[in-house]
Amino acid sequence: AQKITQTQPGMFVQEKEAVTLDCTYDTSDQSYGLFWYKQPSSGEMIFLIYQGSYDEQNATEGRYSLNFQKARKSANLVISASQLGDSAMYFCAMREPAGGTSYGKLTFGQGTILTVHP
Amino acid sequence: NAGVTQTPKFQVLKTGQSMTLQCAQDMNHEYMSWYRQDPGMGLRLIHYSVGAGITDQGEVPNGYNVSRSTTEDFPLRLLSAAPSQTSVYFCASSYSGGGRETQYFGPGTRLLVL
Repeated sequence: AQKITQTQPGMFVQEKEAVTLDCTYDTSDQSYGLFWYKQPSSGEMIFLIYQGSYDEQNATEGRYSLNFQKARKSANLVISASQLGDSAMYFCAMREPAGGTSYGKLTFGQGTILTVHP
Repeated sequence: NAGVTQTPKFQVLKTGQSMTLQCAQDMNHEYMSWYRQDPGMGLRLIHYSVGAGITDQGEVPNGYNVSRSTTEDFPLRLLSAAPSQTSVYFCASSYSGGGRETQYFGPGTRLLVL
């Protein structure tokens, strides 16, 4: 069974600084996908970034980058130049491998609340 | 495209009542799923479907039924509501081709069971 662990219930960062949100995972599969989602106080789930288990380079999407360390089974999200609008809950999630009938199932971590201070 | 839509946005039920949460998507996605979000617990998978006529259980299926008669719709039925089912419910859809495609989430339904 897959498991996602986010050990930081809350994080604080000063505006314009960078912050790293931790995510570790556990799986016996060789093929999997890792996602980060942002959930602002309004409640919607916003996709931020994706990393495939076979991707050799770390994923980047604008100010978001994913520090993927496969041997350590970690997929930390790095937000550069934090903005006040980045204050939200952040979830790490893993998707089961393609090809099976359970493909697409996401397992979520418990989330990290990020607060950006001016 | 409307994306993934959910109705109602908010619902109050009494213990023992039944109801259906509606979910629809207009992106022709094969894969659809229902999650519930409880405080401090992230999102947990209730049921999912890989195509019309095919459904399967997720992590927390008890007390819920689903069916998938069309590609577009994936309703979630609460058979006999209990206070433990008070939660926020999200429907999501995606392609099933592998790769970087994400799941698209609906806006959520807040359910309160008294």
